[in-house]
Amino acid sequence: DAGVIQSPRHEVTEMGQEVTLRCKPISGHDYLFWYRQTMMRGLELLIYFNNNVPIDDSGMPEDRFSAKMPNASFSTLKIQPSEPRDSAVYFCASSLVPWRGGYTFGSGTRLTVV
Amino acid sequence: RKEVEQDPGPFNVPEGATVAFNCTYSNSASQSFFWYRQDCRKEPKLLMSVYSSGNEDGRFTAQLNRASQYISLLIRDSKLSDSATYLCNSGTYKYIFGTGTRLKVLA
Repeated sequence: DAGVIQSPRHEVTEMGQEVTLRCKPISGHDYLFWYRQTMMRGLELLIYFNNNVPIDDSGMPEDRFSAKMPNASFSTLKIQPSEPRDSAVYFCASSLVPWRGGYTFGSGTRLTVV
Repeated sequence: RKEVEQDPGPFNVPEGATVAFNCTYSNSASQSFFWYRQDCRKEPKLLMSVYSSGNEDGRFTAQLNRASQYISLLIRDSKLSDSATYLCNSGTYKYIFGTGTRLKVLA
């Protein structure tokens, strides 16, 4: 298995631009998580899906952030418009049963908004 | 009080030493916990699960103390390669991570 695949690995964009981050979970994993990591706040859960349905999006910072999971093998996290404070590493993780086996993370997308 | 709290460290220990980290949690309903290891500029990787009865994997031992609401990770005979940040995670309540404890093993 190729693991959780995220793209792009790095993204540099100007303030105000739209940014789309992509994730392909491990096949068969029913849970998908989006996390954001910064030095100041650590690893924060933004949203998670179960069977493609958003379950908890209370961590999404504001309306500028949106996430979708149109099918079991693909999810996107979109920021529109982006701001410098959105600069962080965004991780996608997937799991079969998170409370039993934990999750597998992708390599992350390092986002810089200038 | 944060839902999951860790001492950020760094813990600087010599090779061969034994080191232990704790992680406290506030929600008594949390049922499962995990330790992850994160190397610099890499993704977190699952290190081990934490069971009520405790579990051991080689040099690593994880324990859960429900009465005091903390989990622990013990590393024996530290290696240089153990240098990393160790994150605790509540696998049930909001899937929250602690901010991590940084370990540096010194030669």
